[in-house]
Amino acid sequence: SAVISQKPSRDICQRGTSLTIQCQVDSQVTMMFWYRQQPGQSLTLIATANQGSEATYESGFVIDKFPISRPNLTFSTLTVSNMSPEDSSIYLCSVGEQLRREQYFGPGTRLTVT
Amino acid sequence: AQSVTQLDSHVSVSEGTPVLLRCNYSSSYSPSLFWYVQHPNKGLQLLLKYTSAATLVKGINGFEAEFKKSETSFHLTKPSAHMSDAAEYFCVVSDTALGGTYKYIFGTGTRLKVLA
Repeated sequence: SAVISQKPSRDICQRGTSLTIQCQVDSQVTMMFWYRQQPGQSLTLIATANQGSEATYESGFVIDKFPISRPNLTFSTLTVSNMSPEDSSIYLCSVGEQLRREQYFGPGTRLTVT
Repeated sequence: AQSVTQLDSHVSVSEGTPVLLRCNYSSSYSPSLFWYVQHPNKGLQLLLKYTSAATLVKGINGFEAEFKKSETSFHLTKPSAHMSDAAEYFCVVSDTALGGTYKYIFGTGTRLKVLA
């Protein structure tokens, strides 16, 4: 399985500011995913980021709020824009392959917005 | 659209006793199903997966799950619980997405507590 790292591991931010979260994989992967896990909740898919194409956002998530970049096969970023306390969550990236349908998750970024 | 339902939000067992975490799925075709575990303040780890091969799937750490199409279930079991099994467990179904790709649909999770 791939080894995935995320930066930062945690952050405390002021409302109205933006934070960019980085996701780095130790091997080339086709598919990357970004999830949100609100306190005490399950994971919700924000968007799918495949290299060479625009990110596909799930219902309730928009590009202006959560812009994503996928410049190559080992790296992606998620920006949480104009943050409010409701954005306080753990943000996780994962990687997957089309055929096997397995996903492997990064350790997450714990974001607190004050 | 596919979905999964985890029937118990919390399960408590004594150390050394069997574990049963229940998951039912809804799918219009043969699904791919997964169980993931999340230990406190750690990322998610894949326990096992079902992808239309053997209906009894063995995973890591002594866990296994049985796919029962007639019952639309994919329950996770372990014969003997260990203190280190205390964690949050997620049942996941893989759904087809745009462009022929796929995405995960997560269940709401079951928190397993193991009593000494």
